Amino acid sequence: DGGITQSPKYLFRKEGQNVTLSCEQNLNHDAMYWYRQDPGQGLRLIYYSQIVNDFQKGDIAEGYSVSREKKESFPLTVTSAQKNPTAFYLCASIGSGTRKDTQYFGPGTRLTVL
Amino acid sequence: QQQVKQSPQSLIVQKGGISIINCAYENTAFDYFPWYQQFPGKGPALLIAIRPDVSEKKEGRFTISFNKSAKQFSLHIMDSQPGDSATYFCAATINTGTASKLTFGTGTRLQVTL
Repeated sequence: DGGITQSPKYLFRKEGQNVTLSCEQNLNHDAMYWYRQDPGQGLRLIYYSQIVNDFQKGDIAEGYSVSREKKESFPLTVTSAQKNPTAFYLCASIGSGTRKDTQYFGPGTRLTVL
Repeated sequence: QQQVKQSPQSLIVQKGGISIINCAYENTAFDYFPWYQQFPGKGPALLIAIRPDVSEKKEGRFTISFNKSAKQFSLHIMDSQPGDSATYFCAATINTGTASKLTFGTGTRLQVTL
C-alpha cells in the first residue's frame, strides 16, 4: 500500500513540552510539506522540503522545527515556543512525475495542549 | 495576506440540488487551481483541478468553471448527495519546476440534506 502515514493520530502535550509528529511516505516523492489547520482558517504552510537535508520556512514557521534526513521521513517538532499549538497538523508530499502540482495528504495528527 | 478568497463559509443544499462554491485569487502568476475535499478527521484529497488555459473542466458530477479575466474559479457539484457532505478547499499554486507551494482558501463546509 503506497501512501503517507502520520503518527500519532491524537497527541496531548503539557505546556512547556516539545513534541514531535511523525510523517512517513513510501511514494518515492521528493517534496514534503507540513500544514497546520485551524477552524475557519484553511491550511497554512509551516515548513516544506524539496530534497533530503534541505528545507524552507513556510508562512507560520515560528515555534516549529523540522528535519529531512531521509527521503521518506519529514518529522515536525512543535516546540514550547509555539504559543498556540493546539491544531490539526497535516503532512503532504508531491511527486516528481507529470503531476508535480498534486499534493497528497496524510490522515493528520490532532495535537491538544493541556 | 490571503491570496485566495473562498465563499461561502458554509452551504446547505438539498439532495439532488446544485452546490456552488466560489474562489477568487489575486496573484496572476498562479497556474494551477486544484479543489480538495476533506471529511472530518481526515486529510484533504484532490477532487478536481484546472489550468488557466481552459475555461471549464468536468469530472462526473464535479465541474470547475474558470474565468481568467475576473481571476475567479468555482466548483459546481451537480445532483448533490449526502455523501458529498464535507469541507471543500480551493487552492492555487505556482509550479516552480521542483516543487509547488499551495495557497489555500479558507474552506466551505457543505451539508447535503435529504
